[in-house]
Amino acid sequence: DVKVTQSSRYLVKRMGEKVFLECVQDMDHENMFWYRQDPGLGLRLIYFSYDVKMKEKGDIPKGYSVSREKKERFSLILESASTNQTSMYLCASIAGVTGELFFGEGSRLTVL
Amino acid sequence: GENVEQHPSTLSVQEGDSAVIKCTYSDSASNYFPWYKQELGKGPQLIIDIRSNVGEKKDQRIAVTLNKTAKHFSLHITETQPEDSAVYFCAASGGGGSYIPTFGRGTSLIVHP
Repeated sequence: DVKVTQSSRYLVKRMGEKVFLECVQDMDHENMFWYRQDPGLGLRLIYFSYDVKMKEKGDIPKGYSVSREKKERFSLILESASTNQTSMYLCASIAGVTGELFFGEGSRLTVL
Repeated sequence: GENVEQHPSTLSVQEGDSAVIKCTYSDSASNYFPWYKQELGKGPQLIIDIRSNVGEKKDQRIAVTLNKTAKHFSLHITETQPEDSAVYFCAASGGGGSYIPTFGRGTSLIVHP
């Protein structure tokens, strides 16, 4: 079974803290994504990566950075967490040109 | 870039009824249209998809139709069951050679027993 694993399901952080969200996929996919999900706003793309050490900004990159040092791992970093970054974060990977996205179960982040 | 509109945002039906969710897209070059189902506490999961060379696709109680001329596609669920209750997202991709999907805002489907 294909699998995308997000290391933390629930996190509570304080404003100004640095936050790391980790994602690992076991499907040898080249492309990985980080989405943010908020009620009524759907899934918004933060960053994606099409290869190791390669990254591209999505629609809402401000306040976030990413790291892809190994093919299977894609990390989302909040350098200085703010309350407006309280949200559900979803990691996903895609197999080449097939189009199907495989999602992790999400990381719910609360910033106090 | 691509823009995907999804309606309704909430849909409430009685068990056994049909449910229809509609999406429109803006980029006529888009050629891949997946639908994802997100159950409570889980990540979205692909339930059905359609490519632009096909007008309709069925899988048991779910079907998707695509009208390329009008640039809209729809998800149809027949004989709804309580376990169909979830958030459904449509998406479109392939325009300009991009594999990155643009999502609609989601529809919360509630099936009442």
